[in-house]
Amino acid sequence: GEDVEQSLFLSVREGDSSVINCTYTDSSSTYLYWYKQEPGAGLQLLTYIFSNMDMKQDQRLTVLLNKKDKHLSLRIADTQTGDSAIYFCAETNPGEGKLIFGQGTELSVKP
Amino acid sequence: SAVISQKPSRDICQRGTSLTIQCQVDSQVTMMFWYRQQPGQSLTLIATANQGSEATYESGFVIDKFPISRPNLTFSTLTVSNMSPEDSSIYLCSVESGAWEDTQYFGPGTRLTVL
Repeated sequence: GEDVEQSLFLSVREGDSSVINCTYTDSSSTYLYWYKQEPGAGLQLLTYIFSNMDMKQDQRLTVLLNKKDKHLSLRIADTQTGDSAIYFCAETNPGEGKLIFGQGTELSVKP
Repeated sequence: SAVISQKPSRDICQRGTSLTIQCQVDSQVTMMFWYRQQPGQSLTLIATANQGSEATYESGFVIDKFPISRPNLTFSTLTVSNMSPEDSSIYLCSVESGAWEDTQYFGPGTRLTVL
């Protein structure tokens, strides 16, 4: 079945870049998303990318998609303490509605 | 993007009781979903709330345990019935909204603890 995998923890220093990685198995996945969950809060949509793209940049966020390897990454430039949260990648196919989530990567930013 | 609210934000319940969670959206949306996030886990889709018809449940979730209502295009409820401690989770509703209709936005979640 469909599966999305992420590493569980990442620790960086303030001002460094963070790279959060995600792999997925469904080769027909068309839309891929990154969500952020701060402690005690719901999910905030950060960005998304379509499978016909290989890169998307949005201010400090850069998403890279390697469709051949089914690998997605989220790079956060100049990471700040406010970026500390759990980051989920998710995938879906058009019209399905159902999002398949990874386990989430807990990003810890140290001053 | 749509603004989504949920009530209650949190609750502590006794086993064997039921809790109904409300989800309100500030605009009409076609697709509404209910997810569960168990402690320290990722999100799992419970069901799609269909307006005017029965909800569509994912494998492992049944209507008797998680009845869902969707009376109109801005509102839905999820009931967690006959609760046990294993039902302790965060329950989140989401909607598809925005220019890209496959993009889902989430409510703040309802944190449920069952004693």
